[in-house]
Amino acid sequence: AQSVTQLDSHVSVSEGTPVLLRCNYSSSYSPSLFWYVQHPNKGLQLLLKYTSAATLVKGINGFEAEFKKSETSFHLTKPSAHMSDAAEYFCVVGGKGGYQKVTFGTGTKLQVIP
Amino acid sequence: NAGVTQTPKFRILKIGQSMTLQCTQDMNHNYMYWYRQDPGMGLKLIYYSVGAGITDKGEVPNGYNVSRSTTEDFPLRLELAAPSQTSVYFCASSETKTASSYEQYFGPGTRLTVT
Repeated sequence: AQSVTQLDSHVSVSEGTPVLLRCNYSSSYSPSLFWYVQHPNKGLQLLLKYTSAATLVKGINGFEAEFKKSETSFHLTKPSAHMSDAAEYFCVVGGKGGYQKVTFGTGTKLQVIP
Repeated sequence: NAGVTQTPKFRILKIGQSMTLQCTQDMNHNYMYWYRQDPGMGLKLIYYSVGAGITDKGEVPNGYNVSRSTTEDFPLRLELAAPSQTSVYFCASSETKTASSYEQYFGPGTRLTVT
């Protein structure tokens, strides 16, 4: 069984300040973890993924996430927010399954204030 | 390389009508998925397919049907549309070269309203 919890439904930051989007997971297996971004009226795009290699994962657009097994967390960070980062972000956990089953978090909406 | 394409982009249906949402991918992926996205709920899996001729139910299959006659196409059929099916529908695909990759490629979505 697997589950994912995004701890904040909305996060608001000022442009140029750091971004932290929090995600906790639960999995019976060594999980694969993903962050996807969805801009308004668009499909989902992969930001980054963890698949049991380096625990600090770098993604596109300056985002990165750190896998912490002891805390069952996979928080998404960015040092300096840009207006174009305003979007909804989904944390996703993948586990074993014949069809590559993944479970989506409920999403975090990031607002960037100029 | 178009990736995953979906048609139509928008549709309004009356209660009881039927329609087919089209999904095509050109990446030769074996795995394909249909999700619905409702506000504040994340994405829920409706149906999935592991290859041509093979489909199975996801979390929320009631009111929907799928078929997979080719690797490229995975249409979703709504029979007797109901207001509860008002949602945004996403098609996705993934490859199978590594069992743990799970990265999915998404189409742009179909916004469906049933009134």
